[in-house]
Amino acid sequence: GAVVSQHPSRVICKSGTSVKIECRSLDFQATTMFWYRQFPKQSLMLMATSNEGSKATYEQGVEKDKFLINHASLTLSTLTVTSAHPEDSSFYICSAPRIDLNTEAFFGQGTRLTVV
Amino acid sequence: KQEVTQIPAALSVPEGENLVLNCSFTDSAIYNLQWFRQDPGKGLTSLLLIQSSQREQTSGRLNASLDKSSGRSTLYIAASQPGDSATYLCAVNMDSNYQLIWGAGTKLIIKP
Repeated sequence: GAVVSQHPSRVICKSGTSVKIECRSLDFQATTMFWYRQFPKQSLMLMATSNEGSKATYEQGVEKDKFLINHASLTLSTLTVTSAHPEDSSFYICSAPRIDLNTEAFFGQGTRLTVV
Repeated sequence: KQEVTQIPAALSVPEGENLVLNCSFTDSAIYNLQWFRQDPGKGLTSLLLIQSSQREQTSGRLNASLDKSSGRSTLYIAASQPGDSATYLCAVNMDSNYQLIWGAGTKLIIKP
């Protein structure tokens, strides 16, 4: 299957700082990537759709100025959590559908963000 | 609005048993359906993808079926092993915009 690499896997940051999470498709091009947030023992919550070369589409209730998404190339999307607060602590996961494989979705390993 | 339900929410069985996980959806006009596995604190691993025109897909000890008209999919795991312990998620794709609609998952524990 395809490979989606997410980095870092874990990060601890202080309140008020910003954290950047990278999501790379290693062996295919992804014009679209998705960013999810997952709370403990809950399913995935879609935050936004990242579109290569254009603005991201955010789900209702997700602050676009707080969660900055950049999809500057066909293999890289980044999510920056700005001015992080403890309530932003969560598990963030990216995914990319592989259009040439019937849109099968492949996921990164996830990033555990802890804001202290 | 499409809704995806997974039953049961949790399942614990002895090693070696065959088991079935269920996924139901309210709108049968799906593009495809995908089963994933998630280990604690990890990302998701794609297990099987079933196109809307297909009835089943198999990979090793896993078999996923799709009955679109009744809005159901099942994931059959044969000869379960402790390493199969994980949360299993199903998700449907309604059209080519690639967005997935998720079930809440089934937490599976295989007891040695």
